Order: sequence, then C-alpha cells, then structure tokens
Amino acid sequence: QQQVKQSPQSLIVQKGGISIINCAYENTAFDYFPWYQQFPGKGPALLIAIRPDVSEKKEGRFTISFNKSAKQFSLHIMDSQPGDSATYFCAALKSNYQLIWGAGTKLIIKP
Amino acid sequence: DAGVIQSPRHEVTEMGQEVTLRCKPISGHDYLFWYRQTMMRGLELLIYFNNNVPIDDSGMPEDRFSAKMPNASFSTLKIQPSEPRDSAVYFCASRQNPGKDTEAFFGQGTRLTVV
Repeated sequence: QQQVKQSPQSLIVQKGGISIINCAYENTAFDYFPWYQQFPGKGPALLIAIRPDVSEKKEGRFTISFNKSAKQFSLHIMDSQPGDSATYFCAALKSNYQLIWGAGTKLIIKP
Repeated sequence: DAGVIQSPRHEVTEMGQEVTLRCKPISGHDYLFWYRQTMMRGLELLIYFNNNVPIDDSGMPEDRFSAKMPNASFSTLKIQPSEPRDSAVYFCASRQNPGKDTEAFFGQGTRLTVV
C-alpha cells in the first residue's frame, strides 16, 4: 500500500515530441506528489509538484495531470528537447514527511 | 547556502575495509535523509533523522551499516566491513520543517566502489 508504481522504465522520444511518464499509488493518505529530475552524476532535483486538490499543474513545458479517483498522476513534457534527457522520479509524501519514490524513468530525447 | 555537501565524491575501497560517508545538510533544515541508488534497486531510503534523532532506519540493509547525526550540521554513514555489493551511489538529502510540500534538496552523491 506504500508503493508508488512508475512506468515506463525507459522512454525514447523524438525532439519536439511529447514525453509522458505515469505513476500510480494506493495509499489515499498521500497528499503531495512531486516529480524529481536527475542528470547523470547529480542528485535528484525537484522539477514540479502537485497537491490532490487540483487536477493539473503546468510550469513551462512541464505539466502534471492528476486523477484522484484513479489514484494516478502523470508528467507530460511538451516540445521535448535533448536537454530534457534525464531520469525522472515520481514520489508521494507520507504523513511523517517521508517520500515514497517510484522506480524512475530514463528519458532519452533524440535530436 | 552551498546546498547539501557530501564527501568524498568518489570512494574506492577494498572489501572488508571500513567506509565513512559524510554529509553537511543545508542550514536550518530539520530532516536529513540517506539514500542508496543502484541500477537494480533504484533509489532506496536507508535512514532519516529529524532534529538529529534517527526516526526510521528500517531501510538500513544490515548491521554493517550505521548512521549518526551528532549535530544539526553533520551526519555520517558508515559501512563496516564493506562488501562489493555495497557498491552504489549514496545520496544525502535535507528538507525543512514544517510544511509537507517543502522541497528535499539532494547532495551530489558519493560513488562507492568496493573491490
């Protein structure tokens, strides 16, 4: 019940295309859902986050879509660029401030 | 602030040796987390502290692993004795309290290789 399931494990998208990464959770007590971006040799860094009282949040080319009834949320990267190539992690916050992490998606944007 | 600072960045050691990883969290952050990242298992939470007190160490894989936080500005993760399967990147992260949606800031990580 504490898991966050992330898919796909890896994704290749052409430059200019839309990258979509999906996550699902079971614990309805989660109330904060961040996405982290990790470049090789670096630690993960917060990209965008959403709370379940809204269905969508957009920051530039990055959008989180949230479906509370289905307990799913997804990251959409519009007009994907080679610089977006990284590993993306979804996460959900547990009540004692412990993040529960997805397994990660390695995204490659082909020029 | 310089962010979360980890040292060393790289560590190569022989099996059986003691390894100590160090972390300086961001000043004012009350939570400190130690993670391990591998290709096979992804990002695993090992242990976290709140106000220097260990809260949950259920992710620590074995008794060979120990972590301390003697003060608000310093934490160590020790592996004794080290084994080749401990090879991974170890991250330290910190975050503020209160506020559920405050960001966790990660260090650059320590890449540990045990030969």
